[in-house]
Amino acid sequence: DSGVTQTPKHLITATGQRVTLRCSPRSGDLSVYWYQQSLDQGLQFLIQYYNGEERAKGNILERFSAQQFPDLHSELNLSSLELGDSALYFCASSGDRGSYEQYFGPGTRLTVT
Amino acid sequence: AQSVSQHNHHVILSEAASLELGCNYSYGGTVNLFWYVQYPGQHLQLLLKYFSGDPLVKGIKGFEAEFIKSKFSFNLRKPSVQWSDTAEYFCAVFQNYGGSQGNLIFGKGTKLSVKP
Repeated sequence: DSGVTQTPKHLITATGQRVTLRCSPRSGDLSVYWYQQSLDQGLQFLIQYYNGEERAKGNILERFSAQQFPDLHSELNLSSLELGDSALYFCASSGDRGSYEQYFGPGTRLTVT
Repeated sequence: AQSVSQHNHHVILSEAASLELGCNYSYGGTVNLFWYVQYPGQHLQLLLKYFSGDPLVKGIKGFEAEFIKSKFSFNLRKPSVQWSDTAEYFCAVFQNYGGSQGNLIFGKGTKLSVKP
């Protein structure tokens, strides 16, 4: 158990819908990262938040957005869903500056039908 | 931007065979390198990491990796695999933008199947 929690574990929804994925980092970790894992693209970095502020952006679509709240949990919002958005979405957290180790949560498996 | 290449998509071994999984990265400066393992249906777990110092790093479950700067490589090894090592293995490099900014760049992963 990494100490990172994600909900829900599974999500099935229809095209065009909007969903919210939730992540709670390890206690004390200020950075939260979101990754997408799909068969064709592999593991891709989406976005990083550090202590409530967006710090780095990867291959995140404009239909996707994220935020980190004062209690440090983070939410990833996916809207206007398409079949191709079906994937595993992982959240990871890391601690102090210079600590590059990231601890991953169990993931949310999103299926868009 | 940095990139990571893993040469083998799927490796099949018998128990007790030796393992070496290749990983090459593109960046020529200071790198922070990782190997993660993903057991079937589970999340990624850190196997080992290299930040600096001894280029031969030891991780959990008997795994080790060697950082060879001249070859831009960070290959994962295990002298004798077990059936329980069946998993997908990901090499990653930390892309540091400075301060608290950065992210992991992952290779495509190598699936390891160990036959009992």
